Amino acid sequence: QKEVEQNSGPLSVPEGAIASLNCTYSDRGSQSFFWYRQYSGKSPELIMSIYSNGDKEDGRFTAQLNKASQYVSLLIRDSQPSDSATYLCAVNEGNNRLAFGKGNQVVVIP
Amino acid sequence: DAGITQSPRYKITETGRQVTLMCHQTWSHSYMFWYRQDLGHGLRLIYYSAAADITDKGEVPDGYVVSRSKTENFPLTLESATRSQTSVYFCASSESLGMNTEAFFGQGTRLTVV
Repeated sequence: QKEVEQNSGPLSVPEGAIASLNCTYSDRGSQSFFWYRQYSGKSPELIMSIYSNGDKEDGRFTAQLNKASQYVSLLIRDSQPSDSATYLCAVNEGNNRLAFGKGNQVVVIP
Repeated sequence: DAGITQSPRYKITETGRQVTLMCHQTWSHSYMFWYRQDLGHGLRLIYYSAAADITDKGEVPDGYVVSRSKTENFPLTLESATRSQTSVYFCASSESLGMNTEAFFGQGTRLTVV
């Protein structure tokens, strides 16, 4: 079982600020990385995928991947109350299986 | 409806009973998965299937049985439910498209074993 660690506790950010989430993974051979958002009582939904070192931007979201250091991060710019959710980091283990971190709760304060 | 659907959405059962959770997808995705989600553990893989008639264990398979006779269906059976199997269960599906292995999730089934 490959490990995916999201160690930060709940994150509270003011509306309009940047939320920063980090994730580390244990398997140096991992190739595909994903960030899912999960609202309370709902199912996870994909917000970002990243496969190459560097940054990938999609609207207010930026994913950053550093394979040498084995971490992937997610930045949420101009945070909105609708961004309040739990964010799950996922890594492809092979055979399309995803290993998930435990998630980080983000609370955006108006 | 297109997509991936789970039934039932909520289920209460007694210890020792057999329970089957259903999962149906309309995309003809090759891969299907069952996860459970518990506080403090996140999403953990129970079983997965790469194609019809091909299934394999995930991280926490004990006490569960799966089958996949048709591509679109992937039922999960708890042979003799225990209180420790109280959880939210998610079915997911994906297709193998190079490195893009995005998984799409069903709405979840909240199972309570009393």
